[in-house]
Amino acid sequence: SQTIHQWPATLVQPVGSPLSLECTVEGTSNPNLYWYRQAAGRGLQLLFYSVGIGQISSEVPQNLSASRPQDRQFILSSKKLLLSDSGFYLCAWSVGLALNEQFFGPGTRLTVL
Amino acid sequence: AQTVTQSQPEMSVQEAETVTLSCTYDTSESDYYLFWYKQPPSRQMILVIRQEAYKQQNATENRFSVNFQKAAKSFSLKISDSQLGDAAMYFCAYRSDQGGSEKLVFGKGTKLTVNP
Repeated sequence: SQTIHQWPATLVQPVGSPLSLECTVEGTSNPNLYWYRQAAGRGLQLLFYSVGIGQISSEVPQNLSASRPQDRQFILSSKKLLLSDSGFYLCAWSVGLALNEQFFGPGTRLTVL
Repeated sequence: AQTVTQSQPEMSVQEAETVTLSCTYDTSESDYYLFWYKQPPSRQMILVIRQEAYKQQNATENRFSVNFQKAAKSFSLKISDSQLGDAAMYFCAYRSDQGGSEKLVFGKGTKLTVNP
């Protein structure tokens, strides 16, 4: 069966520090991968998605970047965190048709102080 | 660009009763997919139900059903026989059928409280 992992689960970082959040998927090949951010009291905002290794699409201009070094690994990074980067970050994967659901990871709670 | 609107920030229902959550969307496309996701306090996003726009028949999954009105661009979720475990944030989402449009567009969510 397929599983998706995210780490760390929680993270507290000072403003200006770097960031690296990791997402890995098991049990499937060539998935579409997604990074979402959920601000407090708001819905999910798509940040990046990837349909293959090295292929990254950015949805909003921001302080973050994403990379996909391996088929089932998706990394969210920042060189210098801002206060506004605080939030709950969710990784998701899907395969196949648009009808197919996206499966979400457990998320990472990021607090930038 | 497509948008999804959930006009009810919060809703409450008595256990065993029925509740309907509203969702409207804006799109110029004719083929697309609609989803309802549930996010309990654990924050894990779980798919509740999905609907293909080309299907007139409303989707049903056990106690969950939708009222899909394509012309009105409305996609409401009905939860029957509400249970305490149904308490969660519910998100409506839209996905295009056009190739290369892989993303889901989410509404801001409705917080559902189930009262015993």
